[in-house]
Amino acid sequence: AQTVTQSQPEMSVQEAETVTLSCTYDTSESDYYLFWYKQPPSRQMILVIRQEAYKQQNATENRFSVNFQKAAKSFSLKISDSQLGDAAMYFCAYMRDTGRRALTFGSGTRLQVQP
Amino acid sequence: GAVVSQHPSRVICKSGTSVKIECRSLDFQATTMFWYRQFPKQSLMLMATSNEGSKATYEQGVEKDKFLINHASLTLSTLTVTSAHPEDSSFYICSARGDRENTEAFFGQGTRLTVV
Repeated sequence: AQTVTQSQPEMSVQEAETVTLSCTYDTSESDYYLFWYKQPPSRQMILVIRQEAYKQQNATENRFSVNFQKAAKSFSLKISDSQLGDAAMYFCAYMRDTGRRALTFGSGTRLQVQP
Repeated sequence: GAVVSQHPSRVICKSGTSVKIECRSLDFQATTMFWYRQFPKQSLMLMATSNEGSKATYEQGVEKDKFLINHASLTLSTLTVTSAHPEDSSFYICSARGDRENTEAFFGQGTRLTVV
């Protein structure tokens, strides 16, 4: 079974600074997808960024970028120029490329942004 | 992105009663829908996967007779919590995926269920 581990229950960053959230996963599959989701206090799940395992290039979405290390099974999220609105729970998630394609989530990291 | 609407957003029910939660895909055909449960300050745990027109596949430990899932059309799935107990109180979230959106699942707003 696939597992996703987020070892940082809470992180804090100063506004305009950069923060990196860690995620590791375990799988025997070669084709899969990795995601970072943001869950603000409203609890609406918002997709932040997606990475296809077959792509070597790290995904980037504006201030959000990932460091995908396939051999190490590591998938960290870097948030640059942090903003107050970035404060939320962040979940790392894994999805197989076959079968039901359900998401397996990590335990989450609560990010606080200090003004 | 595509829109998934979940209703109600909050519901309070008495122990022993049943409550139905709806999940609708508004602008795409959802061939697969997923139901998750989230306890306070915890992650999302997959409860079941439903495909339109077929029986849901439940995760280990999820009682299929308590959590009835119906996916009768390509735009609607329902989760019915039967004979609710206080321990069923939780946040329930649905997500939906279509054939063309097979790498992204779109989430509903979630339903906070409180059983008193």
